[in-house]
Amino acid sequence: AQTVTQSQPEMSVQEAETVTLSCTYDTSESNYYLFWYKQPPSRQMILVIRQEAYKQQNATENRFSVNFQKAAKSFSLKISDSQLGDTAMYFCAFMKHPPGPETSGSRLTFGEGTQLTVNP
Amino acid sequence: DSGVTQTPKHLITATGQRVTLRCSPRSGDLSVYWYQQSLDQGLQFLIQYYNGEERAKGNILERFSAQQFPDLHSELNLSSLELGDSALYFCASSLGLYQETQYFGPGTRLLVL
Repeated sequence: AQTVTQSQPEMSVQEAETVTLSCTYDTSESNYYLFWYKQPPSRQMILVIRQEAYKQQNATENRFSVNFQKAAKSFSLKISDSQLGDTAMYFCAFMKHPPGPETSGSRLTFGEGTQLTVNP
Repeated sequence: DSGVTQTPKHLITATGQRVTLRCSPRSGDLSVYWYQQSLDQGLQFLIQYYNGEERAKGNILERFSAQQFPDLHSELNLSSLELGDSALYFCASSLGLYQETQYFGPGTRLLVL
């Protein structure tokens, strides 16, 4: 079974600064997908970024980028030029590729989350 | 707006009761997933349906059941409710069966008193 660990329960950053959220995972799979989702106070789950494990290039989406270290099983999220609207709980998630037998399917396995607060 | 809709947004009920949560996936998506988010257990996968058929089961209690209808909407039925079932229940959908990004609905907040 896969496990995802986010060791930082809470973080804070000043507006316009850069912050990095950590995520590590444990798997015996060689092919998989990794995701970062954010959950603002509205509780909506919003996709931030996705990384395919077979790709060496780190994914980027505007101010959001990842540092994917496959050998270290590390997948950190960097947020540049932090904005007040970035205040949210951030979840790291793992998906096996291809999906496993019927008992595992295409499920997402989530970490515990990191609460990020952006201060003005 | 992800395009996934869930009803109701909030639900308050008593122990022992039965409730039904409804989900409509994004247009064109064939897979539907249900997740439970609670304070003590975090975000947990419950079940996945693809084009009307059950594809995977997670930590779903026997008191819970789900189905996906021909129009692809899905329902999650929770019965013999207990205080510990209070949680935020998310539905997510994806285009296909494999390696597809999942888009989440706004969730149904269930409170069991």
